[in-house]
Amino acid sequence: DTAVSQTPKYLVTQMGNDKSIKCEQNLGHDTMYWYKQDSKKFLKIMFSYNNKELIINETVPNRFSPKSPDKAHLNLHINSLELGDSAVYFCASSPGDEQYFGPGTRLTVT
Amino acid sequence: QKEVEQNSGPLSVPEGAIASLNCTYSDRGSQSFFWYRQYSGKSPELIMSIYSNGDKEDGRFTAQLNKASQYVSLLIRDSQPSDSATYLCAVRNQKVTFGIGTKLQVIP
Repeated sequence: DTAVSQTPKYLVTQMGNDKSIKCEQNLGHDTMYWYKQDSKKFLKIMFSYNNKELIINETVPNRFSPKSPDKAHLNLHINSLELGDSAVYFCASSPGDEQYFGPGTRLTVT
Repeated sequence: QKEVEQNSGPLSVPEGAIASLNCTYSDRGSQSFFWYRQYSGKSPELIMSIYSNGDKEDGRFTAQLNKASQYVSLLIRDSQPSDSATYLCAVRNQKVTFGIGTKLQVIP
C-alpha cells in the first residue's frame, strides 16, 4: 500500500473557488509537511506539523489553512484560489530528518 | 544568496560514465544533508543522507560532505539511462530547504 497518499491527484478549478487536498500516511511518523513545487520545479516548504501541532508556518498567504485531525492526516484548505496558486502540492511525512513524499496533487487554477 | 544552490543543468553524461552533482549551502549550522531523485511527473524520493564530513557510499551512489567549504556532492558511478532525473539537494537546520535541482541526462 502507498505509504503517503494524497487526494485528489489532479484538481482543476476556477479563480475564487475554495478547495481542499487531503493527505494520509501509514508510516507512523510524527511529522508531516506540505510543500509547493512551482512551474520552475522549486520545492518550497509551506507548513509542518508534529503530532497534530503546527511547528513551521512559512510565509504563506492566510488563504492557505492546514488542518491535522490526527498525526496520520494533514489536510490543506485553500480559499479564494488565485492563478499563482497553480502548482504541484506535495505532502510528506518524516520520522526525523528524512522526508517521504506523497504522489502530489497538481492544482490548476483557470 | 540562496540557502541551497545547485546548477539546474542539464548535465549530460554518456552511459557508463561518472555523474558528479554539486550543491553548496549558506547556513554553517546545518547538520543534515540529503539527496533526492525526482523523475519527471513524480514525487521526490530519498536516495542518500549524510551527516558527517567525508564520503558515504551506497551501491553506485557516493555522497560527499565538506562542512568547512559548505559543499555537498553526489557521485553516480556507471551511470545508466534510468538515472536520468532531477537530483535535489536538501539541507536541514531548523527546517529542510531544497535546492532547485540538477537535471541529469544519461545518454545511451
